[in-house]
Amino acid sequence: KQEVTQIPAALSVPEGENLVLNCSFTDSAIYNLQWFRQDPGKGLTSLLLIQSSQREQTSGRLNASLDKSSGRSTLYIAASQPGDSATYLCAVNSGYSTLTFGKGTMLLVSP
Amino acid sequence: EAGVVQSPRYKIIEKKQPVAFWCNPISGHNTLYWYRQNLGQGPELLIRYENEEAVDDSQLPKDRFSAERLKGVDSTLKIQPAELGDSAVYLCASSLEAWSGGLNGELFFGEGSRLTVL
Repeated sequence: KQEVTQIPAALSVPEGENLVLNCSFTDSAIYNLQWFRQDPGKGLTSLLLIQSSQREQTSGRLNASLDKSSGRSTLYIAASQPGDSATYLCAVNSGYSTLTFGKGTMLLVSP
Repeated sequence: EAGVVQSPRYKIIEKKQPVAFWCNPISGHNTLYWYRQNLGQGPELLIRYENEEAVDDSQLPKDRFSAERLKGVDSTLKIQPAELGDSAVYLCASSLEAWSGGLNGELFFGEGSRLTVL
């Protein structure tokens, strides 16, 4: 059974810092990995989708990397802003787009 | 383009009462998912539809939960009777296709329906 772990569980940084969120998964036989953002009381917003054949994906200040063989992905956020405050969820697709989620990293960026 | 639409956003009921949630996926998306998210946890799959067929309902508590997707578009998730432990956010998602990889497998989520059972 696929298990996804996210570290740290919570992170508080001052505005402007570059930061890294970590995601690890136990079964490396994945098809893709998706990073989501969730604001309090809201649904999930897709940030980046990395195919199993890719090493990284970039969108604006966000960069996600994937090392499938070691079961790891990182989400890099450059020049963090208060508006980046949210919970970030990593989800692994092990087949038919059925995602296994981590518990998330709660990020707080203070002005 | 409209995203995934869910209703109601919030529902408070007494235990043993029934409740239903509705989802309208993104137009043209063949695959629809219902997830449940408990506080402080990631979402967990309840059921996946390919068009009108439920192809993965292994995690759906069938004694009290039921779902349908008539005509392969909108879907309804029902709980009857509700229990205290059912308090959670029920998320609906859709994707163009559920094949194993590719951009067509990207999931898009609705805002969720928050259920509180008293």
